[in-house]
Amino acid sequence: QKEVEQDPGPLSVPEGAIVSLNCTYSNSAFQYFMWYRQYSREGPELLMYTYSSGNKEDGRFTAQVDKSSKYISLFIRDSQPSDSATYLCAMSVGGGSNYKLTFGKGTLLTVNP
Amino acid sequence: DGGITQSPKYLFRKEGQNVTLSCEQNLNHDAMYWYRQDPGQGLRLIYYSQIVNDFQKGDIAEGYSVSREKKESFPLTVTSAQKNPTAFYLCASRDRGQPQHFGDGTRLSIL
Repeated sequence: QKEVEQDPGPLSVPEGAIVSLNCTYSNSAFQYFMWYRQYSREGPELLMYTYSSGNKEDGRFTAQVDKSSKYISLFIRDSQPSDSATYLCAMSVGGGSNYKLTFGKGTLLTVNP
Repeated sequence: DGGITQSPKYLFRKEGQNVTLSCEQNLNHDAMYWYRQDPGQGLRLIYYSQIVNDFQKGDIAEGYSVSREKKESFPLTVTSAQKNPTAFYLCASRDRGQPQHFGDGTRLSIL
């Protein structure tokens, strides 16, 4: 079993839809959880950063962490064509000197006008 | 503007050659990282450095080398020992207690 599993998609939705992106993980020691957005031929851009369980909202984006189920989600409300990108989940055990990220493989999202 | 600069954006290598990818940051971050991204494989860690003059191997360090002589610079050399070097290479840095931020990458291809 891979440490982090992410459905690669592709996922295609109409403009205005609510999008749900998900990752599951096997290492219960993960404490820090991130979502990155990556446009084609560019580097990943940090969208959301959360610690431990709970929800975090930023504009149209909501990150959700359920440590008991080892499951994280990113919700995008009122999706726009500009949201079309690959979304990567990432997580780490600690935030100190041994900090290393483990990434999912990414989900390709297309929002159709 | 503060940020992470990777150069060049596209790089071509002949068989048997070493090539060096540049990564510079002006964010005053202590930690810097190199990743490789292949289609369908996600990001894999090559090397990372927590402080100047110190670095550690990541998950796929074979065929690569790095140096960290200055805080703002972390160049990656892809040696001829790397048998499958064609990939998208990403550099990242982070401040203490903060998540990683990435540059825009270098795409390396073999001629």
